[in-house]
Amino acid sequence: AQKVTQAQTEISVVEKEDVTLDCVYETRDTTYYLFWYKQPPSGELVFLIRRNSFDEQNEISGRYSWNFQKSTSSFNFTITASQVVDSAVYFCALKGGSEKLVFGKGTKLTVNP
Amino acid sequence: NAGVTQTPKFQVLKTGQSMTLQCAQDMNHEYMSWYRQDPGMGLRLIHYSVGAGITDQGEVPNGYNVSRSTTEDFPLRLLSAAPSQTSVYFCASSRPGLGQPQHFGDGTRLSIL
Repeated sequence: AQKVTQAQTEISVVEKEDVTLDCVYETRDTTYYLFWYKQPPSGELVFLIRRNSFDEQNEISGRYSWNFQKSTSSFNFTITASQVVDSAVYFCALKGGSEKLVFGKGTKLTVNP
Repeated sequence: NAGVTQTPKFQVLKTGQSMTLQCAQDMNHEYMSWYRQDPGMGLRLIHYSVGAGITDQGEVPNGYNVSRSTTEDFPLRLLSAAPSQTSVYFCASSRPGLGQPQHFGDGTRLSIL
């Protein structure tokens, strides 16, 4: 069975703070992909990044960075110098062995001015 | 650039009524799926399809029917609506393959009274 755990239900920070969203996954597959999606208050789901199980290189895109560690089954997402527009629900998701995408329950991030 | 189109955006039903949520995509994606999003539960897979004529159950299929007669369309039918089916429903599509991100529609907010 595959499972994604986002232990942080809600996080509140002040603008310009750095914030890390945690994601821990479980799978028996050796080949799998991890994804992060953003759901802003308007409700749509926006794809942010994917990482395959063989690529542990960290990735940085502007203020966003992702840290994938197979040893701890984690795929954490860090926002540097957060902004109000980063306020959203963030979902981590896992796809392995089938076309089924399994989502975590999401972390609601509120960035206050 | 229509992408994934869901109709209607909002719907109120009475218990016992039936209805069909429409989903259409114009990206020639083989894989399509339906999710429901409930507070604190993340997104849960209802049904999915890997191509025209092929459908399968996800995590929470009870009370829902699907069919896939064309590549473009993947309607979700509620046979006899129940208050427990009050939710936000998302349709998604993607190319086949573990690493392919799913593209989501804007969602249908459904209330069952």
